[in-house]
Amino acid sequence: AQTVTQSQPEMSVQEAETVTLSCTYDTSENNYYLFWYKQPPSRQMILVIRQEAYKQQNATENRFSVNFQKAAKSFSLKISDSQLGDTAMYFCAFMTGNQFYFGTGTSLTVIP
Amino acid sequence: NAGVTQTPKFQVLKTGQSMTLQCAQDMNHEYMSWYRQDPGMGLRLIHYSVGAGITDQGEVPNGYNVSRSTTEDFPLRLLSAAPSQTSVYFCASSSAGGETQYFGPGTRLLVL
Repeated sequence: AQTVTQSQPEMSVQEAETVTLSCTYDTSENNYYLFWYKQPPSRQMILVIRQEAYKQQNATENRFSVNFQKAAKSFSLKISDSQLGDTAMYFCAFMTGNQFYFGTGTSLTVIP
Repeated sequence: NAGVTQTPKFQVLKTGQSMTLQCAQDMNHEYMSWYRQDPGMGLRLIHYSVGAGITDQGEVPNGYNVSRSTTEDFPLRLLSAAPSQTSVYFCASSSAGGETQYFGPGTRLLVL
């Protein structure tokens, strides 16, 4: 069975500081993809970052970067220079065999 | 491009009623999927399709039917609504299985 675990239900960070959201997953597959999605209060799901499991280099997207540890099955998201607009629910997701599996989410609050 | 559109935005049903949630995309994506989002549960895959005429079950398919007669449309049918189907439903599409999924705005369904 494929599972995604986000062990931090809620987190907060001061504006302009850095925060790291944790994600672990469990799979026996070798070919898969990993994602972080953001869901602000508007409820719209927005892609933050995508990582292909066969690539060793960690993905980055502006202030967002990941620490992908394939052997440990860990995929954490680092947000640098946090902004008020980063306040949202963040979901880690894992995709293999045409199916997506989502974690239960981490609610991030950026404090002014 | 409108992206992924969903109708209705909100619906109230009585137990036993049937209805269809509509989903359409104008990006010529082959892959489409339906999720439900419940508090504390993240997003769970209901059904997905890898192309017109091809559908498959996800993690929580019971009580739902889908069909894919065109590339653009992927309706989700509730055959006999139950209170346990009260949820927010998201449709998503991507160009291929491992690519970024683009989500619709969601449909909030309340079953009394």
